Amino acid sequence: DAEITQSPRHKITETGRQVTLACHQTWNHNNMFWYRQDLGHGLRLIHYSYGVQDTNKGEVSDGYSVSRSNTEDLPLTLESAASSQTSVYFCASSDGEKNEKLFFGSGTQLSVL
Amino acid sequence: AQSVAQPEDQVNVAEGNPLTVKCTYSVSGNPYLFWYVQYPNRGLQFLLKYITGDNLVKGSYGFEAEFNKSQTSFHLKKPSALVSDSALYFCAVRDYNAGNMLTFGGGTRLMVKP
Repeated sequence: DAEITQSPRHKITETGRQVTLACHQTWNHNNMFWYRQDLGHGLRLIHYSYGVQDTNKGEVSDGYSVSRSNTEDLPLTLESAASSQTSVYFCASSDGEKNEKLFFGSGTQLSVL
Repeated sequence: AQSVAQPEDQVNVAEGNPLTVKCTYSVSGNPYLFWYVQYPNRGLQFLLKYITGDNLVKGSYGFEAEFNKSQTSFHLKKPSALVSDSALYFCAVRDYNAGNMLTFGGGTRLMVKP
């Protein structure tokens, strides 16, 4: 079955380090997204991509970057991790330009100490 | 910008009773609304959507949602709650002015007690 997987499930890092979270989908979806989930804020969009070589900033993109070199993967990089980036990160994908149904990964719990 | 609000952080209901999880929206133009559910340690799962048509939308796991234009609401409902319905529920709106991104509400935790 097609799926979307995130790795690692849990990550602890130190302030100032570069961290990359992986997202891999086998749905062959063009659209991929990264959200962060924080208590009191729900889900907030970090970055998104509508295809290979396409990346766009979301609501809370500062301190994050993404790259899309193939259809399956959208890695999220924290250039210099900060304690404010401690959060649960979700990757998602959708199969149409109208994003009527998103498929989510199981999330990565990131702690920045 | 399009937005949704979920006024309740938590809803408690007894098993077998009807449940309602509230959502109000603020959009310019026609709203495109969604409900997602998140079970512990899992990603969000799509429940249902309202694009156009009937105001009562049926979705997965026996859930339905009622679209009310005059009250700008899109409440999630289920006639008889199950303990297994306990989860975090998110309302979302699609912002066609921002690349069709989904904007999510803050979430409502549903607790169904036996």
